[in-house]
Amino acid sequence: EIVLTQSPGTLSLSPGDRATLSCRASQSVTSSYLAWYQQKPGRAPRLLIYGASSRATGIPDRFSGSGSGTDFSLTISSLEPEDFVVYYCQQYGDSPLTFGGGTKVEI
Amino acid sequence: EVQLVESGGGLVQPGGSLRLSCAASGFSFGDYAMSWVRQAPGKGPEWVSVISGSGVSTYYADSVKGRFIISRDKFKKTLYLQMNSLRVEDTAVYYCAKCDGSYFHWYFDLWGRGTLVTVSS
Repeated sequence: EIVLTQSPGTLSLSPGDRATLSCRASQSVTSSYLAWYQQKPGRAPRLLIYGASSRATGIPDRFSGSGSGTDFSLTISSLEPEDFVVYYCQQYGDSPLTFGGGTKVEI
Repeated sequence: EVQLVESGGGLVQPGGSLRLSCAASGFSFGDYAMSWVRQAPGKGPEWVSVISGSGVSTYYADSVKGRFIISRDKFKKTLYLQMNSLRVEDTAVYYCAKCDGSYFHWYFDLWGRGTLVTVSS
């Protein structure tokens, strides 16, 4: 099973700041099959990024993904107030499908 | 409107059973694999099970294998999860999710709002 470790656990920033979230895999993720989700309190996760760097439909271009192999990152270029929530990565290159533990972006 | 709506959650005693349903609308249900993903309080999501678009193939996480059964009804456009021999550690919000990607390389591009399952005596 591929274990995903997200860091930091909590990121304290201000609106307008740039945020960089990390997701490290315990083994190489096949074909960069790595997705990122955003989750607001009491809501379901929402797909932001798939294939490590492709934005999902309707996702603002301030969100970008990069990386390959075992190291991936999600960057939010300029934080909006609604971006201060929790983010998860998920690998889908190997069975079982696994998620990271999350990074909370707080003000 | 493209949406997934779960139902069937509730409080159940350890060893009990529960059946979750997920009604799909706004997309061609039979064209997509569908999954159940759960999230325990304060934890990250955990993939539980997936069923192919045809319903022929099913897969389970080791934590639920032999206890849970996923199925789908193409006419009712509904996904199901039969949960048997429930344990305290099965307590979570259960989400229905539409799969995208290639065969067994799935990410989840549409999620329901979830239904809470609490296993407690």
